[in-house]
Amino acid sequence: NAGVTQTPKFQVLKTGQSMTLQCAQDMNHEYMSWYRQDPGMGLRLIHYSVGAGITDQGEVPNGYNVSRSTTEDFPLRLLSAAPSQTSVYFCASSYSTSGGKGGYTFGSGTRLTVV
Amino acid sequence: AQTVTQSQPEMSVQEAETVTLSCTYDTSESNYYLFWYKQPPSRQMILVIRQEAYKQQNATENRFSVNFQKAAKSFSLKISDSQLGDTAMYFCAFMTRPGGGATNKLIFGTGTLLAVQP
Repeated sequence: NAGVTQTPKFQVLKTGQSMTLQCAQDMNHEYMSWYRQDPGMGLRLIHYSVGAGITDQGEVPNGYNVSRSTTEDFPLRLLSAAPSQTSVYFCASSYSTSGGKGGYTFGSGTRLTVV
Repeated sequence: AQTVTQSQPEMSVQEAETVTLSCTYDTSESNYYLFWYKQPPSRQMILVIRQEAYKQQNATENRFSVNFQKAAKSFSLKISDSQLGDTAMYFCAFMTRPGGGATNKLIFGTGTLLAVQP
Protein backbone atom coordinates (compact mmCIF):
# COMPACT_ATOMS: atom_id res chain seq x y z
CA ASN A 1 0.00 0.00 0.00
CA ALA A 2 1.32 3.42 -0.94
CA GLY A 3 1.91 5.74 1.96
CA VAL A 4 4.23 6.66 4.79
CA THR A 5 5.47 3.85 7.02
CA GLN A 6 6.80 4.57 10.48
CA THR A 7 8.50 2.08 12.77
CA PRO A 8 8.30 1.29 15.59
CA LYS A 9 4.77 2.21 16.72
CA PHE A 10 5.72 2.20 20.39
CA GLN A 11 9.06 2.48 22.16
CA VAL A 12 10.28 2.87 25.73
CA LEU A 13 13.80 4.19 26.26
CA LYS A 14 15.92 4.83 29.29
CA THR A 15 17.42 8.27 29.76
CA GLY A 16 20.67 8.50 27.84
CA GLN A 17 19.91 5.76 25.35
CA SER A 18 19.96 6.43 21.63
CA MET A 19 17.60 5.19 18.96
CA THR A 20 16.41 5.80 15.42
CA LEU A 21 12.81 6.28 14.37
CA GLN A 22 12.34 5.00 10.85
CA CYS A 23 10.24 6.66 8.14
CA ALA A 24 9.81 5.45 4.58
CA GLN A 25 7.51 6.58 1.77
CA ASP A 26 6.90 5.02 -1.63
CA MET A 27 5.21 7.95 -3.37
CA ASN A 28 8.37 9.59 -4.70
CA HIS A 29 7.70 12.64 -2.54
CA GLU A 30 10.54 15.13 -2.46
CA TYR A 31 9.50 16.74 0.80
CA MET A 32 9.63 14.87 4.11
CA SER A 33 9.37 16.09 7.66
CA TRP A 34 9.25 15.05 11.29
CA TYR A 35 6.84 16.46 13.86
CA ARG A 36 6.35 15.84 17.54
CA GLN A 37 2.92 16.09 19.14
CA ASP A 38 2.55 17.05 22.77
CA PRO A 39 -0.69 17.74 24.68
CA GLY A 40 -1.82 21.35 24.32
CA MET A 41 0.95 22.19 21.86
CA GLY A 42 -0.23 20.75 18.56
CA LEU A 43 2.35 19.42 16.14
CA ARG A 44 5.74 21.08 16.09
CA LEU A 45 8.26 20.70 13.28
CA ILE A 46 11.56 19.05 14.25
CA HIS A 47 13.44 18.66 10.95
CA TYR A 48 12.54 18.59 7.30
CA SER A 49 14.07 17.70 3.96
CA VAL A 50 13.31 19.04 0.48
CA GLY A 51 15.16 16.22 -1.28
CA ALA A 52 17.89 13.62 -0.98
CA GLY A 53 20.98 15.10 0.63
CA ILE A 54 19.19 18.24 1.84
CA THR A 55 17.93 18.69 5.39
CA ASP A 56 17.12 21.66 7.59
CA GLN A 57 15.99 22.43 11.10
CA GLY A 58 12.46 23.11 12.13
CA GLU A 59 11.06 24.69 15.27
CA VAL A 60 12.36 22.20 17.87
CA PRO A 61 15.52 20.49 16.49
CA ASN A 62 17.62 20.18 19.63
CA GLY A 63 18.44 16.59 20.59
CA TYR A 64 17.54 15.19 17.17
CA ASN A 65 19.50 14.42 14.03
CA VAL A 66 18.31 13.54 10.55
CA SER A 67 19.77 12.50 7.22
CA ARG A 68 18.28 11.93 3.78
CA SER A 69 20.44 9.59 1.73
CA THR A 70 17.56 8.43 -0.48
CA THR A 71 14.25 9.92 -1.62
CA GLU A 72 12.35 7.17 0.21
CA ASP A 73 13.85 7.26 3.71
CA PHE A 74 14.09 9.95 6.37
CA PRO A 75 15.20 8.54 9.74
CA LEU A 76 15.11 10.57 12.94
CA ARG A 77 17.86 9.91 15.48
CA LEU A 78 17.72 10.62 19.16
CA LEU A 79 21.33 10.86 20.31
CA SER A 80 20.84 10.75 24.09
CA ALA A 81 17.19 10.39 25.06
CA ALA A 82 15.76 12.69 27.72
CA PRO A 83 12.36 12.58 29.48
CA SER A 84 11.46 15.83 27.66
CA GLN A 85 11.51 13.84 24.43
CA THR A 86 8.56 11.73 25.55
CA SER A 87 6.05 12.44 22.80
CA VAL A 88 4.25 11.11 19.76
CA TYR A 89 6.32 11.49 16.61
CA PHE A 90 4.88 11.82 13.12
CA CYS A 91 6.61 11.61 9.79
CA ALA A 92 4.92 13.30 6.83
CA SER A 93 5.67 13.74 3.15
CA SER A 94 4.43 15.62 0.09
CA TYR A 95 5.42 16.59 -3.41
CA SER A 96 7.59 19.67 -3.25
CA THR A 97 5.52 21.82 -5.54
CA SER A 98 2.06 20.61 -4.70
CA GLY A 99 2.07 20.00 -0.98
CA GLY A 100 -0.55 22.63 -0.73
CA LYS A 101 -2.81 20.91 -3.23
CA GLY A 102 -3.05 17.54 -1.53
CA GLY A 103 -1.70 18.32 1.85
CA TYR A 104 0.64 15.96 3.55
CA THR A 105 0.57 12.20 3.82
CA PHE A 106 1.22 11.24 7.44
CA GLY A 107 2.57 8.10 8.98
CA SER A 108 0.66 6.47 11.82
CA GLY A 109 2.99 7.85 14.47
CA THR A 110 5.46 6.53 17.04
CA ARG A 111 4.68 6.86 20.74
CA LEU A 112 7.99 7.28 22.55
CA THR A 113 8.37 7.20 26.32
CA VAL A 114 11.68 8.09 27.96
CA VAL A 115 12.01 6.98 31.57
CA ALA B 1 6.86 34.11 11.36
CA GLN B 2 3.52 32.52 10.73
CA THR B 3 1.35 31.44 13.65
CA VAL B 4 -1.93 29.55 13.89
CA THR B 5 -4.28 29.98 16.84
CA GLN B 6 -7.15 27.75 17.88
CA SER B 7 -8.83 29.33 20.88
CA GLN B 8 -11.22 26.49 21.70
CA PRO B 9 -9.38 23.62 23.42
CA GLU B 10 -12.57 21.52 23.70
CA MET B 11 -16.05 21.58 22.22
CA SER B 12 -19.11 19.40 22.45
CA VAL B 13 -22.05 18.98 20.08
CA GLN B 14 -25.13 16.80 19.94
CA GLU B 15 -25.43 14.27 17.17
CA ALA B 16 -27.09 15.71 14.01
CA GLU B 17 -26.41 19.30 15.06
CA THR B 18 -23.98 21.81 13.56
CA VAL B 19 -20.76 22.98 15.16
CA THR B 20 -18.16 25.57 14.16
CA LEU B 21 -14.49 25.36 15.09
CA SER B 22 -12.48 28.58 15.06
CA CYS B 23 -9.01 29.26 13.70
CA THR B 24 -7.07 32.45 13.18
CA TYR B 25 -3.63 32.86 11.69
CA ASP B 26 -0.99 35.48 11.24
CA THR B 27 1.12 35.91 8.13
CA SER B 28 2.53 38.58 5.88
CA GLU B 29 2.25 36.32 2.86
CA SER B 30 -0.47 36.80 0.26
CA ASN B 31 -0.38 33.32 -1.26
CA TYR B 32 -0.83 30.34 1.02
CA TYR B 33 -2.89 27.27 1.81
CA LEU B 34 -5.02 26.53 4.85
CA PHE B 35 -6.05 23.10 6.03
CA TRP B 36 -8.15 21.33 8.59
CA TYR B 37 -6.88 17.95 9.74
CA LYS B 38 -8.78 15.44 11.84
CA GLN B 39 -7.08 13.14 14.33
CA PRO B 40 -9.38 10.43 15.72
CA PRO B 41 -8.38 8.23 18.68
CA SER B 42 -6.52 6.00 16.21
CA ARG B 43 -3.95 8.84 16.02
CA GLN B 44 -4.01 8.92 12.22
CA MET B 45 -3.91 12.42 10.70
CA ILE B 46 -6.64 12.81 8.10
CA LEU B 47 -7.02 15.77 5.76
CA VAL B 48 -10.57 17.13 6.05
CA ILE B 49 -10.54 20.19 3.82
CA ARG B 50 -8.17 22.68 2.22
CA GLN B 51 -8.45 26.28 1.04
CA GLU B 52 -6.23 28.23 -1.32
CA ALA B 53 -5.90 31.83 -0.21
CA TYR B 54 -6.29 33.29 -3.69
CA LYS B 55 -9.70 31.64 -4.08
CA GLN B 56 -12.54 33.67 -2.63
CA GLN B 57 -15.00 30.79 -2.72
CA ASN B 58 -15.19 28.83 0.52
CA ALA B 59 -14.18 25.18 0.23
CA THR B 60 -16.78 22.47 0.89
CA GLU B 61 -16.40 18.71 1.32
CA ASN B 62 -19.70 16.97 1.99
CA ARG B 63 -20.72 17.91 5.56
CA PHE B 64 -17.59 20.00 6.10
CA SER B 65 -17.28 23.60 4.97
CA VAL B 66 -15.09 26.55 5.82
CA ASN B 67 -15.66 30.23 6.34
CA PHE B 68 -12.49 31.86 4.99
CA GLN B 69 -12.11 35.54 5.81
CA LYS B 70 -8.76 36.58 4.34
CA ALA B 71 -8.76 40.15 5.59
CA ALA B 72 -9.57 39.01 9.11
CA LYS B 73 -7.14 36.05 8.80
CA SER B 74 -9.85 33.71 9.97
CA PHE B 75 -10.51 30.14 8.81
CA SER B 76 -13.34 28.40 10.68
CA LEU B 77 -14.61 24.87 10.06
CA LYS B 78 -18.32 24.08 10.08
CA ILE B 79 -19.46 20.51 10.55
CA SER B 80 -23.08 19.93 9.64
CA ASP B 81 -25.21 16.96 10.74
CA SER B 82 -22.55 15.91 13.25
CA GLN B 83 -21.94 12.18 13.55
CA LEU B 84 -20.41 10.11 16.34
CA GLY B 85 -17.49 9.36 14.01
CA ASP B 86 -16.64 13.07 13.92
CA THR B 87 -15.36 12.81 17.48
CA ALA B 88 -11.69 13.70 17.17
CA MET B 89 -9.03 16.33 17.64
CA TYR B 90 -9.17 18.90 14.85
CA PHE B 91 -6.09 20.85 13.81
CA CYS B 92 -5.99 23.98 11.72
CA ALA B 93 -2.79 24.33 9.66
CA PHE B 94 -1.08 26.85 7.39
CA MET B 95 1.37 26.43 4.52
CA THR B 96 3.07 29.09 2.46
CA ARG B 97 2.44 28.46 -1.22
CA PRO B 98 5.61 26.85 -2.65
CA GLY B 99 7.74 28.97 -4.91
CA GLY B 100 10.21 31.78 -4.52
CA GLY B 101 12.28 29.77 -2.06
CA ALA B 102 9.39 28.90 0.21
CA THR B 103 9.19 25.36 1.51
CA ASN B 104 6.31 23.05 2.24
CA LYS B 105 6.43 23.65 5.97
CA LEU B 106 3.07 23.02 7.57
CA ILE B 107 2.38 25.05 10.71
CA PHE B 108 -0.26 23.70 13.09
CA GLY B 109 -2.52 25.19 15.71
CA THR B 110 -2.84 23.55 19.12
CA GLY B 111 -6.03 21.71 18.23
CA THR B 112 -9.68 21.55 19.29
CA LEU B 113 -10.99 18.35 20.83
CA LEU B 114 -14.52 17.80 19.54
CA ALA B 115 -16.87 15.38 21.27
CA VAL B 116 -20.09 14.41 19.49
CA GLN B 117 -22.69 13.32 22.04
CA PRO B 118 -25.41 10.77 21.20
